Amino acid sequence: NAGVTQTPKFRILKIGQSMTLQCTQDMNHNYMYWYRQDPGMGLKLIYYSVGAGITDKGEVPNGYNVSRSTTEDFPLRLELAAPSQTSVYFCASSMRMLAGKYFGAGTRLSVL
Amino acid sequence: GQQLNQSPQSMFIQEGEDVSMNCTSSSIFNTWLWYKQDPGEGPVLLIALYKAGELTSNGRLTAQFGITRKDSFLNISASIPSDVGIYFCAGPTGNRDDKIIFGKGTRLHILP
Repeated sequence: NAGVTQTPKFRILKIGQSMTLQCTQDMNHNYMYWYRQDPGMGLKLIYYSVGAGITDKGEVPNGYNVSRSTTEDFPLRLELAAPSQTSVYFCASSMRMLAGKYFGAGTRLSVL
Repeated sequence: GQQLNQSPQSMFIQEGEDVSMNCTSSSIFNTWLWYKQDPGEGPVLLIALYKAGELTSNGRLTAQFGITRKDSFLNISASIPSDVGIYFCAGPTGNRDDKIIFGKGTRLHILP
């Protein structure tokens, strides 16, 4: 079972560059999420989606955008990368709201 | 804002020892989730608790939903090397998914 797949695993960006972090899940989950994890910290919710065509902001949405055109895919877009966006990004999905989530392996992003 | 406080931040134990860690909040939670994160991986759900006083086991892991609904406990019996990692508690502070917060984690080290 693939579960939640994130690409790329690692990326280095220059300040001001843009990129899209890809996330896909094969469990037919309606709910998908993007978190960031900074060193020594827990996870903070960036954006989430309760189904195709529906997205909503989480705790730390500034500097990011998302879209959800299909149930399977939930890409995260950084338009103008800043050093403060250096972090590990995790995509997750769940069957129900507030249920335990399945996480991807993460994308390690450095903005220099 | 609301926070989940995990204790201890870090533990060094001998293989075979039992482990106890806890998570506390200043506000009431209706659900407690415990995750484990292996190095370089995303968090994996270990146990979910939905009722005050509930005691749930998953192999050598046992978690309890505190009766005050402001705390939860995770115990690991007879630790083995693969228990190394970071253990996170999480919970929803409301009915919306953007209100799920994570603790900063308890990092478990096992001494040879």
